[in-house]
Amino acid sequence: GDSVTQMEGPVTLSEEAFLTINCTYTATGYPSLFWYVQYPGEGLQLLLKATKADDKGSNKGFEATYRKETTSFHLEKGSVQVSDSAVYFCALTQNSGYSTLTFGKGTMLLVSP
Amino acid sequence: DTGVSQNPRHKITKRGQNVTFRCDPISEHNRLYWYRQTLGQGPEFLTYFQNEAQLEKSRLLSDRFSAERPKGSFSTLEIQRTEQGDSAMYLCASSLGTTGFSYEQYFGPGTRLTVT
Repeated sequence: GDSVTQMEGPVTLSEEAFLTINCTYTATGYPSLFWYVQYPGEGLQLLLKATKADDKGSNKGFEATYRKETTSFHLEKGSVQVSDSAVYFCALTQNSGYSTLTFGKGTMLLVSP
Repeated sequence: DTGVSQNPRHKITKRGQNVTFRCDPISEHNRLYWYRQTLGQGPEFLTYFQNEAQLEKSRLLSDRFSAERPKGSFSTLEIQRTEQGDSAMYLCASSLGTTGFSYEQYFGPGTRLTVT
């Protein structure tokens, strides 16, 4: 079945540092890929998405590129802020069927001033 | 702009009791999903509704779990004879969708269940 693997956290960075959170997937066909973010005490929010190979999703300074050749969708941000501290989840969905999401285990990001 | 709402936000119950959670999706969304998230893990799919029809259930959904979506609006998830292993965050999400295409899923804040 489909699966998503994320780098383990926590990732601890100082403000303005560069962020990379690795995500690789195993899936048949051509899934859509997502990054969700969960701030403390809040629900999951969609951060960005990409629906086909070589697409780049971007939002709020975060970017991720759908790399089919390496089955990866790594999340990057050039300069993190304290307010980016949260848990980040990589996920995929098949575009056929009922589009249920398959999530990775999540990576906690802690940004200090 | 009303998003997905879930009630209650927290529920503490004793082992063996029954509990019911409610999810109110975004009003025009025809698809509704339930997920379960345990500590340190990502959400795992439980069940899916398209309008009022329950079309898919995960193997995680034991016989003690039942879900409904009467009239294709709100949904309820009931757990009978709760066990300590049922302690988790239960998440509801909704989306628009047509055959072969699905828009993004919007998540509610979740119901945190603690079984003592």
